[in-house]
Amino acid sequence: DTAVSQTPKYLVTQMGNDKSIKCEQNLGHDTMYWYKQDSKKFLKIMFSYNNKELIINETVPNRFSPKSPDKAHLNLHINSLELGDSAVYFCASSPPGLAGGIAYEQYFGPGTRLTVT
Amino acid sequence: AQSVTQLDSQVPVFEEAPVELRCNYSSSVSVYLFWYVQYPNQGLQLLLKYLSGSTLVKGINGFEAEFNKSQTSFHLRKPSVHISDTAEYFCAVSGRGGTSYGKLTFGQGTILTVHP
Repeated sequence: DTAVSQTPKYLVTQMGNDKSIKCEQNLGHDTMYWYKQDSKKFLKIMFSYNNKELIINETVPNRFSPKSPDKAHLNLHINSLELGDSAVYFCASSPPGLAGGIAYEQYFGPGTRLTVT
Repeated sequence: AQSVTQLDSQVPVFEEAPVELRCNYSSSVSVYLFWYVQYPNQGLQLLLKYLSGSTLVKGINGFEAEFNKSQTSFHLRKPSVHISDTAEYFCAVSGRGGTSYGKLTFGQGTILTVHP
């Protein structure tokens, strides 16, 4: 199936631990994103990579570090987890734009529900 | 910078009735507009988008939206809803070019509940 996939789907861990969430897209897209959806369902962009290059870096604690080994993968590593990091994290990708650059619509993965206890 | 306001947090409606989910935005630059749907415990799925051209755009599942530049609105409509339309709907905006290019800013979401 062509899609954006994330692993794991659920992640339960204790405060202070380090964890990673993996994202892969087989849609051939150039741009990938990480979003955080909080308990009130508010979605906010965290990072974006275009062809492995960081292009959007919102005000996110530096405990969060994205890594893009190739343009089909964008992983999210979180150090020293805190209670406030509990949320659903969504990966997304978008195809190239009509005139090059970044396209407009984004395709989302199923999400990873992170619970920090 | 952009911001999006979805005017209703919850919209209950009976099956086969029409529905409108309201979305207003603000931006200092021209924008692209989107509606996404999120079913329980799933990711977001694109319903429709406005990039340019006709201000009335049609999407999947019988939904349509109208871009009104003077009122900075992008309301979502469906003439007859089904039980299966029960979900949360998100309006989103992306600036054209500049540092906002490719970055989606979402509204707070509207929960649509369709009752039999």
